Amino acid sequence: EDQVTQSPEALRLQEGESSSLNCSYTVSGLRGLFWYRQDPGKGPEFLFTLYSAGEEKEKERLKATLTKKESFLHITAPKPEDSATYLCALLGGSGNTGKLIFGQGTTLQVKP
Amino acid sequence: DAGVTQSPTHLIKTRGQHVTLRCSPISGHKSVSWYQQVLGQGPQFIFQYYEKEERGRGNFPDRFSARQFPNYSSELNVNALLLGDSALYLCASSLDKGQPQHFGDGTRLSIL
Repeated sequence: EDQVTQSPEALRLQEGESSSLNCSYTVSGLRGLFWYRQDPGKGPEFLFTLYSAGEEKEKERLKATLTKKESFLHITAPKPEDSATYLCALLGGSGNTGKLIFGQGTTLQVKP
Repeated sequence: DAGVTQSPTHLIKTRGQHVTLRCSPISGHKSVSWYQQVLGQGPQFIFQYYEKEERGRGNFPDRFSARQFPNYSSELNVNALLLGDSALYLCASSLDKGQPQHFGDGTRLSIL
């Protein structure tokens, strides 16, 4: 069964203190791994898609990487505005569907 | 360009009633998916429609149904509401069933 587990559940950082969020997954055939950011009261905002092991994507202070079992979201020198819940999702199901299987998220708080 | 729009933003119902939630996708997107998000958890897949046909269904009871219209907008219907149906209902659209999904800000449904 396709499954996604994120750790830690919550993370508190000081402004400028770099860290990484982990997304472990099991899937019969990887068709895509997605990272989203979700602010309170809002829908998830798309950040990155990764399709194969070794792939990396960057956007401002965020960098996503992918291995055969895990994905990491690296946050370099975070700012308070990076505070949000970060969600990882697998593209699951058969090739005919676009079902996203989400982890429970990591809630990041960056203090000034 | 307008993003995914959902209506209403908030809704209060009582047990046993039914509800209809609406979603307009990003212009040009032919795939619409519905997710349920309970507080503190990641979104759970309910349905996906592509070109007006159901392409995936999650582990939800038959009280949940959906459809997609010729203009690619979509409705989610829930009958015989239960207290446990209280959640944020998210709609997402994508160009195709395997492409990144872009989410609206959801409908917050409260069941009394």
